[in-house]
Amino acid sequence: GQQLNQSPQSMFIQEGEDVSMNCTSSSIFNTWLWYKQDPGEGPVLLIALYKAGELTSNGRLTAQFGITRKDSFLNISASIPSDVGIYFCAGQYRDAGKSTFGDGTTLTVKP
Amino acid sequence: EPEVTQTPSHQVTQMGQEVILRCVPISNHLYFYWYRQILGQKVEFLVSFYNNEISEKSEIFDDQFSVERPDGSNFTLKIRSTKLEDSAMYFCASRGDSRRNEKLFFGSGTQLSVL
Repeated sequence: GQQLNQSPQSMFIQEGEDVSMNCTSSSIFNTWLWYKQDPGEGPVLLIALYKAGELTSNGRLTAQFGITRKDSFLNISASIPSDVGIYFCAGQYRDAGKSTFGDGTTLTVKP
Repeated sequence: EPEVTQTPSHQVTQMGQEVILRCVPISNHLYFYWYRQILGQKVEFLVSFYNNEISEKSEIFDDQFSVERPDGSNFTLKIRSTKLEDSAMYFCASRGDSRRNEKLFFGSGTQLSVL
């Protein structure tokens, strides 16, 4: 099956710093998604990307769909304590609901 | 905002027992999914369901698993004879009727512990 490599696995940053994480795949996707998961909760969609090269922002979050359709990155600017959580990338190829998830990036923000 | 509801939030069972995990998807959604997440690992696709039948299932979704939409509101996942390795958080998700409406709404999950 399709595999996603997400990095870094974890990040410890100071409040106010910018954060960058990325995902790469050996196969192409038609859609890239970025989710955030808080403890004890289900994943919540942050950003969806539909087209190769697309750059999309959602507040302090910016994500890009790689030109090759095999990678994506997520940037968080000026991090705040509530950004703490696990961030997952996910790719979709055909079925718009069937997603292949990355391993997640655990973000810790120190005030 | 509408939400997907899952019950129970935590289920403890003995190995070999049957469990049924329940979900109430968002009312006007037509596509339904089960995902699972073993502690500390990634979220994994189990099965998709549309028009009262399974659309696709993963290798994890073997003969011990089944899904059902018994009425107009509930969507259930049954594990016939649980194994220790079935212990995980199980998430139900749903989406609307547009192929491009890929925003999946996830429930808060059912934590299944098999002893």
